[in-house]
Amino acid sequence: GENVEQHPSTLSVQEGDSAVIKCTYSDSASNYFPWYKQELGKRPQLIIDIRSNVGEKKDQRIAVTLNKTAKHFSLHITETQPEDSAVYFCAASDGGKSTFGDGTTLTVKP
Amino acid sequence: DAGVIQSPRHEVTEMGQEVTLRCKPISGHDYLFWYRQTMMRGLELLIYFNNNVPIDDSGMPEDRFSAKMPNASFSTLKIQPSEPRDSAVYFCASSFGGGGYEQYFGPGTRLTVT
Repeated sequence: GENVEQHPSTLSVQEGDSAVIKCTYSDSASNYFPWYKQELGKRPQLIIDIRSNVGEKKDQRIAVTLNKTAKHFSLHITETQPEDSAVYFCAASDGGKSTFGDGTTLTVKP
Repeated sequence: DAGVIQSPRHEVTEMGQEVTLRCKPISGHDYLFWYRQTMMRGLELLIYFNNNVPIDDSGMPEDRFSAKMPNASFSTLKIQPSEPRDSAVYFCASSFGGGGYEQYFGPGTRLTVT
């Protein structure tokens, strides 16, 4: 089955800096790669996603890149703000089920 | 739409008791997913349904766990008998089109088994 590895497990940045979270996947059949943000005590919510026919997608301060050959994808957050502090999960899906990474706890220090 | 609804929000029970978690997906969604979240194991997919039919239950930890979806607007996850290691937050999520589309998570049920 699919295996998703996510790094780093924790990330601390200063407000205004950029943050990068990386994920690798194992199943070449995976074609959908969403990123979810989970604030403390809340439910995961989708923040951005990318499909296998696209190499990069951007939405304001967040962007995701995908390298299908290397089987890795990354989340980039620019100009971080304290409200970006949360746990971020990557996932890979073949259209049926999704396999999630272990999560990255991002702390943005004011 | 009210979003995915789960009940109860919190459940405290004693080891050996039966626990039933409930989920109402977003109307019109054809996929429903049950996840378990713990610090040690992260977010694990337990089972998912398409049009009320179980598609993949390979994540169900053992025979003590069972899930049903009798109709498009209701699903249950049952643990019988419960054990302390079942303590976790259980999320239900729904989507239109499967895992290749955004999943909308419910608020979760925090289960504590003493």
